[in-house]
Amino acid sequence: SQQGEQDPQALSIQEGENATMNCSYKTSINNLQWYRQNSGRGLVHLILIRSNEREKHSGRLRVTLDTSKKSSSLLITASRAADTASYFCATRSSGSRLTFGEGTQLTVNP
Amino acid sequence: EPEVTQTPSHQVTQMGQEVILRCVPISNHLYFYWYRQILGQKVEFLVSFYNNEISEKSEIFDDQFSVERPDGSNFTLKIRSTKLEDSAMYFCASSGAQGETYNSPLHFGNGTRLTVT
Repeated sequence: SQQGEQDPQALSIQEGENATMNCSYKTSINNLQWYRQNSGRGLVHLILIRSNEREKHSGRLRVTLDTSKKSSSLLITASRAADTASYFCATRSSGSRLTFGEGTQLTVNP
Repeated sequence: EPEVTQTPSHQVTQMGQEVILRCVPISNHLYFYWYRQILGQKVEFLVSFYNNEISEKSEIFDDQFSVERPDGSNFTLKIRSTKLEDSAMYFCASSGAQGETYNSPLHFGNGTRLTVT
């Protein structure tokens, strides 16, 4: 898989449902981060999980990391219409470069 | 909350012209970045900058591109001899206050939409 492959590409759910999106990467990492992008805007950092962590929570967000499978998932619980956005995972290996995945477009229908 | 600001929000230029995209990072941040995103697609790394020099650059960042931190607050991306395929959103980001490392989260500006005609 390519660094930062994400699936699904697009996800449409009803308000109140949970949304799960996945990210896979190729090389070893120091950390993995998730960002959100509203249409036409910059990316906003959501959560960072280090390579020695397996799960992390922040409000309605839950991120898991499986370094043996080189994969991560982002769960948004009790989704709201305002959660509609694109979600990107990003990995940092060594050095300064943060490499972004291709994104999942989430639509939450009211 | 401090934020990264980018100007202009939209720049239209003719092919072959030079453009300068401007960014004011968060004031106590030490690491600076430029990324680009073509038509809502993947966010591509261009360059990172620390301690007044380039830390890392991608294969996209060839001799056509240059970055500069001309004073204590601005961070610029210059694109020489623009091509049609340079049309994209260009995002500036900063991270890492004193004592932090590259591993801290990035704070992005809202981007400059560059249109090359």
